[in-house]
Amino acid sequence: KAGVTQTPRYLIKTRGQQVTLSCSPISGHRSVSWYQQTPGQGLQFLFEYFSETQRNKGNFPGRFSGRQFSNSRSEMNVSTLELGDSALYLCASSLGLENSPLHFGNGTRLTVT
Amino acid sequence: AQSVTQPDIHITVSEGASLELRCNYSYGATPYLFWYVQSPGQGLQLLLKYFSGDTLVQGIKGFEAEFKRSQSSFNLRKPSVHWSDAAEYFCAVGSINDMRFGAGTRLTVKP
Repeated sequence: KAGVTQTPRYLIKTRGQQVTLSCSPISGHRSVSWYQQTPGQGLQFLFEYFSETQRNKGNFPGRFSGRQFSNSRSEMNVSTLELGDSALYLCASSLGLENSPLHFGNGTRLTVT
Repeated sequence: AQSVTQPDIHITVSEGASLELRCNYSYGATPYLFWYVQSPGQGLQLLLKYFSGDTLVQGIKGFEAEFKRSQSSFNLRKPSVHWSDAAEYFCAVGSINDMRFGAGTRLTVKP
């Protein structure tokens, strides 16, 4: 079974631009979560989607948004990029039950200059 | 609020030696607990999980963890470390829509 696929692997953007990251979950998984990983803040929860509905959102500004499509694929968008948005963005899929383990992709490394 | 503390930022062990990585959590109810491992440039891989029942859980790659409610701990152990175990290890608590991760423990393995 194929794992979680994130594209692209690397991105370099300029301050003020916007970016869209993509995530394809494991087949059969209906939940997709997004995390930001930085050396200073560690792993921080962004949001989680299940069957195209956002079920929970972390403590991030409105510039961070996401969506999920009917095939469970998900996209995350960051608008008006700031230098502090440079991070590894990880997507994780799961079956969607409360205690379902997360299965992570290899992430998208975003660098904002 | 739930939280996770990994007291050790970096641990170095010799190949073949035993390993214990510490994890303490704060959670209002019976927690869902996980250990993940991350190699450089990769995502996180699930090592093991605890929901209920037997407090000693077995995972992949020869790892195990013990849930101790009285100590609010969920320490990860391995009897004999291999060079390929060098990575960063994360303890996590919570549910899929509110998972909290510890800051991680970086493991270095000496030959």
